[in-house]
Amino acid sequence: AQTVTQSQPEMSVQEAETVTLSCTYDTSESDYYLFWYKQPPSRQMILVIRQEAYKQQNATENRFSVNFQKAAKSFSLKISDSQLGDAAMYFCAYRSPGTSYGKLTFGQGTILTVHP
Amino acid sequence: DAGVIQSPRHEVTEMGQEVTLRCKPISGHNSLFWYRQTMMRGLELLIYFNNNVPIDDSGMPEDRFSAKMPNASFSTLKIQPSEPRDSAVYFCASSPRTSGNTGELFFGEGSRLTVL
Repeated sequence: AQTVTQSQPEMSVQEAETVTLSCTYDTSESDYYLFWYKQPPSRQMILVIRQEAYKQQNATENRFSVNFQKAAKSFSLKISDSQLGDAAMYFCAYRSPGTSYGKLTFGQGTILTVHP
Repeated sequence: DAGVIQSPRHEVTEMGQEVTLRCKPISGHNSLFWYRQTMMRGLELLIYFNNNVPIDDSGMPEDRFSAKMPNASFSTLKIQPSEPRDSAVYFCASSPRTSGNTGELFFGEGSRLTVL
């Protein structure tokens, strides 16, 4: 079974600065998808960014980008120009294609605090 | 477009009572997931459906939990009898099953259950 590990229970950053959240995963599969979800205090889970394992290019969505290291099974999230609205819990998630279509395995989460 | 709709948003009940949580997925989505979130265990997949059929219920903790999806626009998660350890936030999520889908899940706002 796949596992996802987020080793940073909490992180903090100053507004306008850059922060990187770490995620590692364990899998024997060669094709899969990785995601970062954001959970603000409102509780709703919001997709931040996704990465297909077969793509070598790192995904980018505005101020959010990932550093995908397939060999190292690492998938970190970089938030540039941090804003107060970025404060939330962030979850890394893994999806295996095939019969478990759509089933996501989540990491434990990282609480991000943004200081003004 | 309306997102995933869950009800109730909050539920407080006493041990031994029956609890029913409801979910309306996004129209056109044919995969539906029930997740449970607790501080101790994080986000756990309880069960998921494809085209209204339960595919994997291995995450359902015990026989007190049951889930149904009588049609494409409605699902319920029932706990009977409820116990204090069932206190958690229960999320419903849906996903389209198309060839281009990368498995992104669209989450509802969650139902916070407190069992006294």
